[in-house]
Amino acid sequence: DAGITQSPRHKVTETGTPVTLRCHQTENHRYMYWYRQDPGHGLRLIHYSYGVKDTDKGEVSDGYSVSRSKTEDFLLTLESATSSQTSVYFCAISESQEGSPLHFGNGTRLTVT
Amino acid sequence: GQNIDQPTEMTATEGAIVQINCTYQTSGFNGLFWYQQHAGEAPTFLSYNVLDGLEEKGRFSSFLSRSKGYSYLLLKELQMKDSASYLCAVRDRDYKLSFGAGTTVTVRA
Repeated sequence: DAGITQSPRHKVTETGTPVTLRCHQTENHRYMYWYRQDPGHGLRLIHYSYGVKDTDKGEVSDGYSVSRSKTEDFLLTLESATSSQTSVYFCAISESQEGSPLHFGNGTRLTVT
Repeated sequence: GQNIDQPTEMTATEGAIVQINCTYQTSGFNGLFWYQQHAGEAPTFLSYNVLDGLEEKGRFSSFLSRSKGYSYLLLKELQMKDSASYLCAVRDRDYKLSFGAGTTVTVRA
């Protein structure tokens, strides 16, 4: 299995508080992604990174920011959590964009009360 | 945006064959992926198609027709452990991967 670790695995927080989720990889892959998964919607891309300090928005980026200061770490921050951000968040990595599949971490279940 | 459609649920008997269809309309095409996801777990990669035709990998096969915007995943000799959600995903012209909502397959004894 690809070496991807997400932390924390579970988190409960209150509306309006900041939250940071961490993704750590040991594969030295260039590309990293954050998705959220909700019933009926499948996986939706929040942000992705194509290198250190190089990031771009996905289809549901509002309310989220990311940072990548090292190849191995990709952080997702909710500046002020809302109940609509209650979800399961998956980090994924890929070696390249052409032909290379995404490999997913085990997910973080976030509940915003 | 991207539009990827697959059935919500399918049920089949152990030992049988099930075919999960996926149709897509995306801005450009750079490959189609199938993933398996057991409840409460991460998606795991099953197959990849970028050219038309059939790719076979053990009990699982995946087919692609780019002109029809269509793919299917074929699961043969179904086992109880195949009960899971199966996700169709398409990589667009910008190499972003978009997912369908998933098909939950239930295998009955």
